[in-house]
Amino acid sequence: DVKVTQSSRYLVKRTGEKVFLECVQDMDHENMFWYRQDPGLGLRLIYFSYDVKMKEKGDIPEGYSVSREKKERFSLILESASTNQTSMYLCASSPGTFLLLGTNVLTFGAGSRLTVL
Amino acid sequence: GENVEQHPSTLSVQEGDSAVIKCTYSDSASNYFPWYKQELGKRPQLIIDIRSNVGEKKDQRIAVTLNKTAKHFSLHITETQPEDSAVYFCAASTDSSASKIIFGSGTRLSIRP
Repeated sequence: DVKVTQSSRYLVKRTGEKVFLECVQDMDHENMFWYRQDPGLGLRLIYFSYDVKMKEKGDIPEGYSVSREKKERFSLILESASTNQTSMYLCASSPGTFLLLGTNVLTFGAGSRLTVL
Repeated sequence: GENVEQHPSTLSVQEGDSAVIKCTYSDSASNYFPWYKQELGKRPQLIIDIRSNVGEKKDQRIAVTLNKTAKHFSLHITETQPEDSAVYFCAASTDSSASKIIFGSGTRLSIRP
């Protein structure tokens, strides 16, 4: 069973703090993603990574950075947290074998709910 | 970049009736369209997906149709049941293995008993 584990379910931080959200997958997936989920706005892509040390910006990368030093781990970093970054953050991974399987299923983590005061 | 629009944002149907959720996309290069279901308090899970070389795909009570010319695709749920109550997300991407997957804004489906 594919597992995507997000290290923190709930975090409360203060404005200006540096925040790390960690995500680990155990199925050797090539691709990893960070989404932000807000009511009425759906799942918005922040960053994704298709290989170790490779990353691409999503639709809302401003205020965020990412790190993928190892294949199984993808970290989201808020350099200086702001109140408008209060949200649910979802990590996901996919095998990256679309051309082989004809599908590219995302497996999501349980989410990290961040509150910035 | 790709933009996916999803309608309606909320939908309430009588148990046993059908539900339809519609999405449009902007990037003509997109050719893979998955649908995810998110039950309350749980993580999204894939329920069905379709590639652009197929116009329709069915899996029991759910089906997805794709009109590539018009750049829209729809999810159809027949004989709705209480367990169908959830938020549904459509998405679009290219068929590259290293491709972004862009989601719509979601539809909250409620099934009335």
